Amino acid sequence: KNQVEQSPQSLIILEGKNCTLQCNYTVSPFSNLRWYKQDTGRGPVSLTIMTFSENTKSNGRYTATLDADTKQSSLHITASQLSDSASYICVVSDRGSTLGRLYFGRGTQLTVWP
Amino acid sequence: EADIYQTPRYLVIGTGKKITLECSQTMGHDKMYWYQQDPGMELHLIHYSYGVNSTEKGDLSSESTVSRIRTEHFPLTLESARPSHTSQYLCASSEWRGDEQFFGPGTRLTVL
Repeated sequence: KNQVEQSPQSLIILEGKNCTLQCNYTVSPFSNLRWYKQDTGRGPVSLTIMTFSENTKSNGRYTATLDADTKQSSLHITASQLSDSASYICVVSDRGSTLGRLYFGRGTQLTVWP
Repeated sequence: EADIYQTPRYLVIGTGKKITLECSQTMGHDKMYWYQQDPGMELHLIHYSYGVNSTEKGDLSSESTVSRIRTEHFPLTLESARPSHTSQYLCASSEWRGDEQFFGPGTRLTVL
């Protein structure tokens, strides 16, 4: 069964600190993995995309890693800011359908305190 | 910010009412989607469309219906709302050959 599991479910950190969010998936065949940021009351917005051959990709203070062998990804946030408070969702796409099927994790709710 | 819009943003209605949630995108995307999301849970696909006059049911069974008469417009209708329909509804779109989906801001629906 194609699944995406994220941990931790929630995380509280102090402003300026770093954190790492985890994503494990069983989706096959694998096409790519995206990390989305969803602010409260808003739709998700894509942060990064990782394909099979990519190990690391950065977008400002966000760095995503992918280990396609172990089917694990992480999102590292550096020097957190209050505006980083949001849900971070791991989304995996398969190659097996015309629709471009997406599998969503439940997200990690990150709260950054001043 | 993606050019995809949803109205209303918030809706509180009584049981039995008919409602239509609007979704429009100005990116010319062929594919459009409706998702249902409850707090702390993953997004569930309830409807999708490949293009005009194309509509399909998603993974999660839903009593709602959709239509796609114009490329840019993908409304979702509930003929008779019930408290179990209380949820957040997210609309998204993507290019025909791409799988990045651009999401609207969502409609928070509460049925009393």
